[in-house]
Amino acid sequence: EVQLVESGGGLVKPGGSLRLSCAASGFTFKNAWMSWVRQTPGKGLEYVGRIKSKTDGGTTDYAAPVKGRFTISRDDSKNTVYLQMNSLNTEDTAMYYCTTVLTRSDLVFDYWGQGTLVTVSS
Amino acid sequence: EIVMTQSPATLSVSPGERATLSCRASQSVRSNLAWYQQKPGQAPRLIIHGASTRATDIPARFSGSGSGTEFTLTISSLQSEDFALYYCQQYNNWPPITFGQGTRLEIK
Repeated sequence: EVQLVESGGGLVKPGGSLRLSCAASGFTFKNAWMSWVRQTPGKGLEYVGRIKSKTDGGTTDYAAPVKGRFTISRDDSKNTVYLQMNSLNTEDTAMYYCTTVLTRSDLVFDYWGQGTLVTVSS
Repeated sequence: EIVMTQSPATLSVSPGERATLSCRASQSVRSNLAWYQQKPGQAPRLIIHGASTRATDIPARFSGSGSGTEFTLTISSLQSEDFALYYCQQYNNWPPITFGQGTRLEIK
């Protein structure tokens, strides 16, 4: 059974940083492309970014609102993907979900974690 | 950016009846369209990709159709567990990936 468990969310002040983790199990993690998607009541679902498997280059891409501030990385020895978030602002307040990516060519999110809540507030 | 518009915002249907949800793209996304279901307090769940392919373990009462700019999710005989929020997502032209704003399917 595929399981994705996010952690690391919490309350942070504007301008602060936070690192989210997502521990994966139930599939061959090193071969998987992983992504982060966030959700707010106001904006709905919003793609954050993706990391390819190391076999496919391990490269990342990001949505425009987070590019240059957020960094996705992975540790295949720990079956874990990370989301480092810097220079946070109130618009980053959201539930953050870790997901698997369905295929290399289709950016479809087939398995989701339960989410971790990030609140940016002074 | 491709804008995804879902209609209606809320759909009220009785159990056992058919529900039809719509999603329109502001420009063609070919068949690169996915549908997700989200229940209160839960993460979204993939139900359809490629506009019409059911995801793993999704019951046959769920079907997707359409291509280009017009898409439909049909639930043929609503069960109690089907009442939820449904989102469409295009993955043809990205960045950015875009989602619709959702349709709430509620019990009539």
